[in-house]
Amino acid sequence: DTEVTQTPKHLVMGMTNKKSLKCEQHMGHRAMYWYKQKAKKPPELMFVYSYEKLSINESVPSRFSPECPNSSLLNLHLHALQPEDSALYLCASSQAGEQYFGPGTRLTVT
Amino acid sequence: DAKTTQPTSMDCAEGRAANLPCNHSTISGNEYVYWYRQIHSQGPQYIIHGLKNNETNEMASLIITEDRKSSTLILPHATLRDTAVYYCIVRATYNTDKLIFGTGTRLQVFP
Repeated sequence: DTEVTQTPKHLVMGMTNKKSLKCEQHMGHRAMYWYKQKAKKPPELMFVYSYEKLSINESVPSRFSPECPNSSLLNLHLHALQPEDSALYLCASSQAGEQYFGPGTRLTVT
Repeated sequence: DAKTTQPTSMDCAEGRAANLPCNHSTISGNEYVYWYRQIHSQGPQYIIHGLKNNETNEMASLIITEDRKSSTLILPHATLRDTAVYYCIVRATYNTDKLIFGTGTRLQVFP
């Protein structure tokens, strides 16, 4: 199984809502990632977890809160987002070099 | 990590080889060249990577110049399904977790 799954596929939320994005991989990879991708732009790294510990935070605003409950799961908790946070949120995992990406969650903040 | 320069867009006829160039003139000795692609509305997909030797897998070939300042990704027989944005990325050491995407090349394969 070389798949990274993400739920939901689409999410619409208001600026006062709290929601969560979920990512799962069953490849036994040690590292998991969150990326943000705006339309017609390349993906931008947000967070990296290695062995379930946060190892990289690319100065992401605190309204985005990552969580790694176990080695297969990665969540991104969202609170008080702004319309400019609307984007495709991608999850990835890796063991060493190459990263495997999920299909993404398309988030719209209204 | 070294920066990369790629053409904004390229066209290729179906069945022909697609040669995608990448310039990484500031690459240092311990940096690998990685290629990913992103088909519209999907997550990026790993294609291939190399350090200094040419590499080939079932998807593509990677040709790295002797001075390592540039590389070319070759899709030997392009199909319509290869239409995507192709990203050339330079990474310091094989196990570094940080992946910095540049702007990429939009490859359009036409019938």
